[in-house]
This record gives sequence, C-alpha cells and structure tokens, in this order.
Amino acid sequence: GAVVSQHPSWVICKSGTSVKIECRSLDFQATTMFWYRQFPKQSLMLMATSNEGSKATYEQGVEKDKFLINHASLTLSTLTVTSAHPEDSSFYICSAYRESGLGYEQYFGPGTRLTVT
Amino acid sequence: AQSVTQLGSHVSVSEGALVLLRCNYSSSVPPYLFWYVQYPNQGLQLLLKYTSAATLVKGINGFEAEFKKSETSFHLTKPSAHMSDAAEYFCAVTPRGYQKVTFGTGTKLQVIP
Repeated sequence: GAVVSQHPSWVICKSGTSVKIECRSLDFQATTMFWYRQFPKQSLMLMATSNEGSKATYEQGVEKDKFLINHASLTLSTLTVTSAHPEDSSFYICSAYRESGLGYEQYFGPGTRLTVT
Repeated sequence: AQSVTQLGSHVSVSEGALVLLRCNYSSSVPPYLFWYVQYPNQGLQLLLKYTSAATLVKGINGFEAEFKKSETSFHLTKPSAHMSDAAEYFCAVTPRGYQKVTFGTGTKLQVIP
C-alpha cells in the first residue's frame, strides 16, 4: 500500500532555532499534502494545505511566516518551524493524497514529535 | 462547513465486550466519513470509510460502522474487544469532492482485562 514517511520522527531544539520536518510519499506522487498539529490529548488540527509548485494555503490562525511550507516536488513537502518557542512543541503529522479509481485516498505519515526547550 | 462530534472522550470496556464509539457529523453537502485509530506517538491508521456505497462499512481488525443519514451518525462498533484495541479513535468527515478533512476530538478506548 501507499506509504508516507516523515523525518525526523522526533526532534528537540532550543528556543529561537528553526526546525525542518520532511514529509515524503514513498511510492506515489502527491500533488496535495496536508500538515496537521496535535497537542497532547487533543485532536488533529489542520495547519495548511501544501500544493506542489504553488504556495501553501494556511488555515485561519496559523502564522504562515512561522510555519513555512515548501512542496517542491511531487513526493516531498517540508514544514519549517522558524524561531521555535516552547508553545510550538507538538506532534506534527502530514498526509498525502493519491488519486485512484475510487477518487482520492488519504495516507498519513507517522508523525514528528517536536519539543522546544 | 462540516464538523464532527465524538461523544465520550474516554470509553472503558472489558475484554470480550462490545465496543461502541459514537460519532455524529454535520455537513452541508453529502459527506465522506472515516474512522482512524492512533496508537501512542504514532500517526493515524485508517480503520474504515464511508463513501456513499453500502451504509454498513466493514473495516480492519473486526471494526464496522453504520452510516445513518437520519441520525447524522457514524458509530463505530466491534463485537468483542481485544486488549490490542486500546488506542485513540478519531472520527472524521470531508465533504464529497473535497480533500480537507475535519477530525473529531477523539475517544480513548481502554480495554480492561
């Protein structure tokens, strides 16, 4: 089946630094990917829609200058958390859509645990 | 606009007992509905989905869900709980023809031996 990977699986960084998280579709091309964040014991909140070759679409309340998204190829989207602060500590999950005969199938990555100290 | 309500943030069942996790949805257009399972520090795994075919949907690991339009519900059931079913379960909805998914707040299932 389709596989979506994320790297790194966990990262610890110091406040004020930037962290890049990669999301890859391993066996299919994804024109659209989504980035979610999940706080402890809470649901997934959509942050942005990443479109290959164009600017990402951010959800209301998400700072686009803080959460930079680049979808440079059909298999890779990156999320960069700039000038990270402890409140950015969260579980970040990406998903990728693959078009099939039944429409679109969504596949989720395993997530990246970010801890900002 | 669409939304999902999961009743009960925590559900406890005995091993071998029926599992029932409730989900009600709201959607301005016919929806696609999903149930996902998440184990600690892992991503989401699709259990099953409703995409307008049969209203009773069978998924993996013995789970099934029934789409009831009149009740705007999509409850998840399993006849006999197993210890390995202990996890967090998310109901999700997306309008037909769209890709953006809205998740419920999740229900943590505890299975008591």
